Amino acid sequence: GENVEQHPSTLSVQEGDSAVIKCTYSDSASNYFPWYKQELGKRPQLIIDIRSNVGEKKDQRIAVTLNKTAKHFSLHITETQPEDSAVYFCAASSLYTGGFKTIFGAGTRLFVKA
Amino acid sequence: DAGVTQSPTHLIKTRGQQVTLRCSPKSGHDTVSWYQQALGQGPQFIFQYYEEEERQRGNFPDRFSGHQFPNYSSELNVNALLLGDSALYLCASSLVPGELFFGEGSRLTVL
Repeated sequence: GENVEQHPSTLSVQEGDSAVIKCTYSDSASNYFPWYKQELGKRPQLIIDIRSNVGEKKDQRIAVTLNKTAKHFSLHITETQPEDSAVYFCAASSLYTGGFKTIFGAGTRLFVKA
Repeated sequence: DAGVTQSPTHLIKTRGQQVTLRCSPKSGHDTVSWYQQALGQGPQFIFQYYEEEERQRGNFPDRFSGHQFPNYSSELNVNALLLGDSALYLCASSLVPGELFFGEGSRLTVL
């Protein structure tokens, strides 16, 4: 079945450093790759996404890259700040007749130390 | 725009009981997906509703069932509750395939 693996499970960085989270997916039909940030007790919120016809996308301090051949995609956060501390989830979405299915990774807990 | 709203926010049930969770999608969204998020884990896909029909389903037993109403709102029903059903249940609505907007969730505790 469909699967998304995410690494690392925990990441601790110093404020101002960069953080990188990596994911792999198994379903070749996946064509949309969102990233969500979830703070403690809150809903997951979309922070950036990328579609399969694009290799890289950047939004201020956040960037995502996608390698469809290798089924890898990554999240890069530069100049990290304490408010970046949260759990980050990658996801892969596949379109089917009548609907779609979005599968999530297990999450990465990011700690940014001031 | 109220966004995605879910009710109740918290509830406690005992093993064997049944529970119904409710979701109102974001205005204009016609697709509702349900996820189960156990503590410390990623959201697990339960099923998706569009045009009042279940369109996609994850690896969840038949104890998990749902419904979508003509106004696009949705319910998740879980029968014969087990301790392992304790989790945060997230509803997400969509207009564009793949783009999920989550509610705050319903936290279910099974004793």
